[in-house]
Amino acid sequence: GAVVSQHPSRVICKSGTSVKIECRSLDFQATTMFWYRQFPKQSLMLMATSNEGSKATYEQGVEKDKFLINHASLTLSTLTVTSAHPEDSSFYICSAWDSLQETQYFGPGTRLLVL
Amino acid sequence: KNEVEQSPQNLTAQEGEFITINCSYSVGISALHWLQQHPGGGIVSLFMLSSGKKKHGRLIATINIQEKHSSLHITASHPRDSAVYICAASGGGGSNYKLTFGKGTLLTVNP
Repeated sequence: GAVVSQHPSRVICKSGTSVKIECRSLDFQATTMFWYRQFPKQSLMLMATSNEGSKATYEQGVEKDKFLINHASLTLSTLTVTSAHPEDSSFYICSAWDSLQETQYFGPGTRLLVL
Repeated sequence: KNEVEQSPQNLTAQEGEFITINCSYSVGISALHWLQQHPGGGIVSLFMLSSGKKKHGRLIATINIQEKHSSLHITASHPRDSAVYICAASGGGGSNYKLTFGKGTLLTVNP
């Protein structure tokens, strides 16, 4: 079946540094990918919709200058957390929309810890 | 108020029991998704359905469009079924694939 990968699976960084997370669709092309954030014991919250070749659409309350999204190819979207702070520590999950199967496949997630 | 409500929030069962998790939604949808999230965090898509019933192994998902209600059933439950089960609706707000998530049901199956 379709697989979506994320890299890295976990990252620890110092406050003030930037962290890039990659999301790849491995056997299908995804014009649309999604980035979610999940805090402990809470539901997934959509951060932004990543569209190949165009600007991402951010949800209300998500700072686009802090969470930079690039979707330069049909199989890769990246999320960069700029100037990370401890409150950005969370579980970040991407998903990719397979338009042929009309379903959404989720990545395994990236656990970010900002010290 | 969340547009997708799940119940129960927590569920503990003995191995072999039949399990039902419920999901109600208040928005118009194009499809209803059931997802499984294990303690490590990774999410697996179990079902996507827009009508009727789907079955995969010991898992069964049903949806009643008129009542805006879906159920996930697990037959002959096993400890490895222990996970968070999440209901999500797509199609709200005019987007066919943007998901609105329930808060999840934590299922623990004891041996």
